[in-house]
Amino acid sequence: AQSVTQLGSHVSVSEGALVLLRCNYSSSVPPYLFWYVQYPNQGLQLLLKYTTGATLVKGINGFEAEFKKSETSFHLTKPSAHMSDAAEYFCAVSIWGKLQFGAGTQVVVTP
Amino acid sequence: GAGVSQSPRYKVTKRGQDVTLRCDPISSHATLYWYQQALGQGPEFLTYFNYEAQPDKSGLPSDRFSAERPEGSISTLTIQRTEQRDSAMYRCASSPTSGSSGANVLTFGAGSRLTVL
Repeated sequence: AQSVTQLGSHVSVSEGALVLLRCNYSSSVPPYLFWYVQYPNQGLQLLLKYTTGATLVKGINGFEAEFKKSETSFHLTKPSAHMSDAAEYFCAVSIWGKLQFGAGTQVVVTP
Repeated sequence: GAGVSQSPRYKVTKRGQDVTLRCDPISSHATLYWYQQALGQGPEFLTYFNYEAQPDKSGLPSDRFSAERPEGSISTLTIQRTEQRDSAMYRCASSPTSGSSGANVLTFGAGSRLTVL
């Protein structure tokens, strides 16, 4: 069985501040992990993914995530928030090609 | 096409009516997925196709839901006798690689928002 938990359905961050979105997973096998972003009226876009190898994964738009097996976590970070980062972010775990998503975290960026 | 295209973008229907949603994936992509996303939730897997084969439809909530991909390209999702609980965003995604690969990267369409009155 596998599941994904995202802590916090809404996060407010000041422009220029650190963005930290938390994701914990449970999986009975080594997981493939993803972060997707959803802008209004658009489809989900891939930010980054972890499959094997280096546990620190860099993605688009300055985001990165670190796979920590001991903590079963895959938290997403960005050092300095930009207004364009306002969106909904989804963590997902994949096994046999089926993505299971968390409930999402809505990020609001304030000036 | 260049991206995943879904139609209609918005559909309002009355309870009991049938609806059909359409997905046109990226032309080179072998695998096509359907997801249902209720308000305030993440997308939930419904079914997927490898070309025209449908190896997994375990996520379809009831036998009122069915999907087809007869020629291995365009797919339709049909909901018969719609109910209010079917109101959701329906998202289609495609991937160039086999559906059984856990490392698949999915490209999503903008979705079809269904409202059942």
